[in-house]
Amino acid sequence: SQQGEEDPQALSIQEGENATMNCSYKTSINNLQWYRQNSGRGLVHLILIRSNEREKHSGRLRVTLDTSKKSSSLLITASRAADTASYFCATDQWGSRLTFGEGTQLTVNP
Amino acid sequence: SQTIHQWPATLVQPVGSPLSLECTVEGTSNPNLYWYRQAAGRGLQLLFYSVGIGQISSEVPQNLSASRPQDRQFILSSKKLLLSDSGFYLCAWSVSRGATNEKLFFGSGTQLSVL
Repeated sequence: SQQGEEDPQALSIQEGENATMNCSYKTSINNLQWYRQNSGRGLVHLILIRSNEREKHSGRLRVTLDTSKKSSSLLITASRAADTASYFCATDQWGSRLTFGEGTQLTVNP
Repeated sequence: SQTIHQWPATLVQPVGSPLSLECTVEGTSNPNLYWYRQAAGRGLQLLFYSVGIGQISSEVPQNLSASRPQDRQFILSSKKLLLSDSGFYLCAWSVSRGATNEKLFFGSGTQLSVL
């Protein structure tokens, strides 16, 4: 079964707006990772946040982690058309491999 | 720098034919290696992973097998393809770091269509 579930499944915004995607999971994790996938391509790692961290930034990306609610969010600020892609969260549980969610399809309209 | 090569990019095979997808990693030693499958519009399903030469763990019982004949080579195979084997296959590697799953580096994927 999927450990991480992204919400929403699809998101359409205008260039310049912020995009927020959420990920919920069921069991305790060691770390949580966000990946991006352009259509028909491999996934690209964006950011990793460990269970003892609450927030991380990377350029226009901001990731938060709330272990009490078992949830994470990915915020993309000042979105661009080139940000159009699918975004996946992946959870690392002790003793098992990374488990990916179903993804959020983000469309940024120019 | 490290790179991962996966080929072919696209493959159309008849039902019952064999399959061999190859993945190689450059610029690192003793990586963890992974094969994932992705159905259209869905998330990734882990098929196999390997922590060393000849060491393969299977996550899902299926019509596929994997081998790691060399440290940086990972091969996905099937003796007889089924229609249900169609999908987007992704190879990935990560630094080996005990029980922690560090970030994955993915190949560009193979779109397999079984007809």
